[in-house]
Amino acid sequence: AQSVSQHNHHVILSEAASLELGCNYSYGGTVNLFWYVQYPGQHLQLLLKYFSGDPLVKGIKGFEAEFIKSKFSFNLRKPSVQWSDTAEYFCAVNDWDNNAGNMLTFGGGTRLMVKP
Amino acid sequence: DARVTQTPRHKVTEMGQEVTMRCQPILGHNTVFWYRQTMMQGLELLAYFRNRAPLDDSGMPKDRFSAEMPDATLATLKIQPSEPRDSAVYFCASGADYSRANYGYTFGSGTRLTVV
Repeated sequence: AQSVSQHNHHVILSEAASLELGCNYSYGGTVNLFWYVQYPGQHLQLLLKYFSGDPLVKGIKGFEAEFIKSKFSFNLRKPSVQWSDTAEYFCAVNDWDNNAGNMLTFGGGTRLMVKP
Repeated sequence: DARVTQTPRHKVTEMGQEVTMRCQPILGHNTVFWYRQTMMQGLELLAYFRNRAPLDDSGMPKDRFSAEMPDATLATLKIQPSEPRDSAVYFCASGADYSRANYGYTFGSGTRLTVV
């Protein structure tokens, strides 16, 4: 079964610092990849997704992610974080090949705190 | 923007009482998911419906939890009897698996359940 690892459980940054959150998945077939963000007290919202084409995906609020198939990774990046980026970030994977439909496997999440 | 509507937003109930949470998926979406989120366990998949048929409820405690889709516009999650350990935020999400390019869920705002 697919599994998703987010190795950084908690990240603390100062404003304007660069961000990179790691995401690795286990299954090596055809995948769709997602990053969701959950602001404090709110629901999960889609930040960006990859399903084919250019492996560098740009999302909302200046976020981007790069799909590296050889490394089974889909890391999230932002060049300069803001206090308002404080949230929990979830990586998720859909296995296109295993008839899972659009069911996603989520990572454990990374809590980001940005200090003003 | 289309949204997934969950009711109630907050529920406080006494142990042993029945709790019913409702979800209205986005019109045209054919997949519905129920998740439970706690600090300790993170995001857990409870149930997955496709075209109103239950596909996966392996994550749901069968003795007290039940999930149904009486029609395409309503999904319900019921707990009977409720216990304090059921206290969590319950999210509903909907999606469409007609096209891989549209994969990804839209989450509702959640029901925050407190069982005392």
